[in-house]
Amino acid sequence: DTGVSQDPRHKITKRGQNVTFRCDPISEHNRLYWYRQTLGQGPEFLTYFQNEAQLEKSRLLSDRFSAERPKGSFSTLEIQRTEQGDSAMYLCASTPIREQYFGPGTRLTVT
Amino acid sequence: AQTVTQSQPEMSVQEAETVTLSCTYDTSESNYYLFWYKQPPSRQMILVIRQEAYKQQNATENRFSVNFQKAAKSFSLKISDSQLGDTAMYFCAFMKATQGGSEKLVFGKGTKLTVNP
Repeated sequence: DTGVSQDPRHKITKRGQNVTFRCDPISEHNRLYWYRQTLGQGPEFLTYFQNEAQLEKSRLLSDRFSAERPKGSFSTLEIQRTEQGDSAMYLCASTPIREQYFGPGTRLTVT
Repeated sequence: AQTVTQSQPEMSVQEAETVTLSCTYDTSESNYYLFWYKQPPSRQMILVIRQEAYKQQNATENRFSVNFQKAAKSFSLKISDSQLGDTAMYFCAFMKATQGGSEKLVFGKGTKLTVNP
């Protein structure tokens, strides 16, 4: 039973660079969520996919952020022109309905 | 908008004892779900327990149980017979029930629980 996986687990980048994260959900789950967790805070919702359709985006998701889920399988989250405020843990979760199963997260550090 | 408040940033308990973590929430919705998630140090978040708002009976999962007070908008987690492996951040989360739409989670800031030997 493979859970949700995320790659990379850690990413250090310089301010202004672009980064892309990948999430592989549990195979039969059609719903996928991205969250961001900063130090000392609970996760905050970023965006939601049902199959390949992106159905909701948070106001936290500025125009530097873009997410895709081609063919309703894995998903990518790209941040362009990174800023120090983007430093956080980026979590992916998948679900058939209700209970969300989380991946280990990608920790982004922007220097 | 919904909000979730966890008023205890940190708690500690002795092994084998019982501890209760507090959570309150604010919503105008009538149909929703509440969750407790556990995030061990450097490990991924896992679901501990879930409660449907329409159910009066409090949910129980082995050593974990909740006290759900809908009128007071309170949802506390009780951990009995605490074990060293229970050391983790615990997050209370709210989910609005929808018909096929986004069921995003709204989290509190978490309570850091330490179980001491």
